[in-house]
Amino acid sequence: KQEVTQIPAALSVPEGENLVLNCSFTDSAIYNLQWFRQDPGKGLTSLLLIQSSQREQTSGRLNASLDKSSGRSTLYIAASQPGDSATYLCAVSSNQGGKLIFGQGTELSVKP
Amino acid sequence: SAVISQKPSRDICQRGTSLTIQCQVDSQVTMMFWYRQQPGQSLTLIATANQGSEATYESGFVIDKFPISRPNLTFSTLTVSNMSPEDSSIYLCSVERSTEAFFGQGTRLTVV
Repeated sequence: KQEVTQIPAALSVPEGENLVLNCSFTDSAIYNLQWFRQDPGKGLTSLLLIQSSQREQTSGRLNASLDKSSGRSTLYIAASQPGDSATYLCAVSSNQGGKLIFGQGTELSVKP
Repeated sequence: SAVISQKPSRDICQRGTSLTIQCQVDSQVTMMFWYRQQPGQSLTLIATANQGSEATYESGFVIDKFPISRPNLTFSTLTVSNMSPEDSSIYLCSVERSTEAFFGQGTRLTVV
């Protein structure tokens, strides 16, 4: 049974700092991994999608890496801003059109 | 990307009543997914809705409690039946497009 863990559960940093969020999964047979952002009480916004054959994806100040063999992914946020404050969720799927298994999320607070 | 509209965005309901949540997608999709996010928790898949067939429910979720309709390829409803305070959660619908998952803004349900 696939399990997804995110560390840390919460993180508070000053504005401008670079930071790394971690995601690990127990079954390396994944189809893809996706990082989401969730603002309080809201839905999810897709940030980055990494296919199982890929090692990383970048979008603006965000970079996500995937090491499938070790069951790990990291989300790197450069030059953090107060607007980055949100909960960040990673999720894996085992096949196309399959369900997503989510981690518990990392609640990020960026202080001005 | 995909544009997903969910209604209502929030509701406060009396225990014992039912609420139907609507999800509209901007273009046709084969599968639509319904997730639940309990307070302070991550997302859990309730069921997968295919057009023209009965929904497939995950372990711990049953059709009598969460009936789903899928009348066409752009629309689905989830009903939360005979509600209790334990049903207070955010309910989200999701679709996949080009292997990437997209979510609606969610329905925040409070049962009193």
